[in-house]
Amino acid sequence: EPEVTQTPSHQVTQMGQEVILRCVPISNHLYFYWYRQILGQKVEFLVSFYNNEISEKSEIFDDQFSVERPDGSNFTLKIRSTKLEDSAMYFCASSTRADEYEQYFGPGTRLTVT
Amino acid sequence: GENVEQHPSTLSVQEGDSAVIKCTYSDSASNYFPWYKQELGKGPQLIIDIRSNVGEKKDQRIAVTLNKTAKHFSLHITETQPEDSAVYFCAPALISGGYQKVTFGTGTKLQVIP
Repeated sequence: EPEVTQTPSHQVTQMGQEVILRCVPISNHLYFYWYRQILGQKVEFLVSFYNNEISEKSEIFDDQFSVERPDGSNFTLKIRSTKLEDSAMYFCASSTRADEYEQYFGPGTRLTVT
Repeated sequence: GENVEQHPSTLSVQEGDSAVIKCTYSDSASNYFPWYKQELGKGPQLIIDIRSNVGEKKDQRIAVTLNKTAKHFSLHITETQPEDSAVYFCAPALISGGYQKVTFGTGTKLQVIP
């Protein structure tokens, strides 16, 4: 069964460093999402992406964040200058269409900022 | 923005008993009501969903009921098994045109005691 994959599974970085989290969505999906989950808390929406542009973003997704689909398979989340409070699990999700309803989530990348 | 609450935050049941989790939301425009199961170290996985034109949906031991007037929907698990132990999130969404706007609930940790 097709699945969303994410790399790395765990990323440790120092405060102020740039990180790139990578996702490979399911191949025929057109809509892509990033979420984050601070330890023990709920899942929070960051951004949705379609047709090579952001379609929706939350207040969390400020100028420090960016997303890109550099080729036909990868979908990346970049944090330019990490802060301690960026430590969280980051989940990528994809769906065939926005009105397909079901989003398929990847296993997540645990980001630890020290 | 959408305000989503889940109750209870934790729930312990004996194997074989039923479990019910309630989700209350604020945005009357929400038209899609999924429940996700998150096991330790994994991403959320859709287990059942319901759309705004349906009041109840059942899939084997799992059911979801929706009350749009009161703005709440509930997850019902019957004949619980130890493998049902996980964190469950409701995630009411507005799906309109080309985008899907999702807000996750605060989560319910379900423990099924063998």
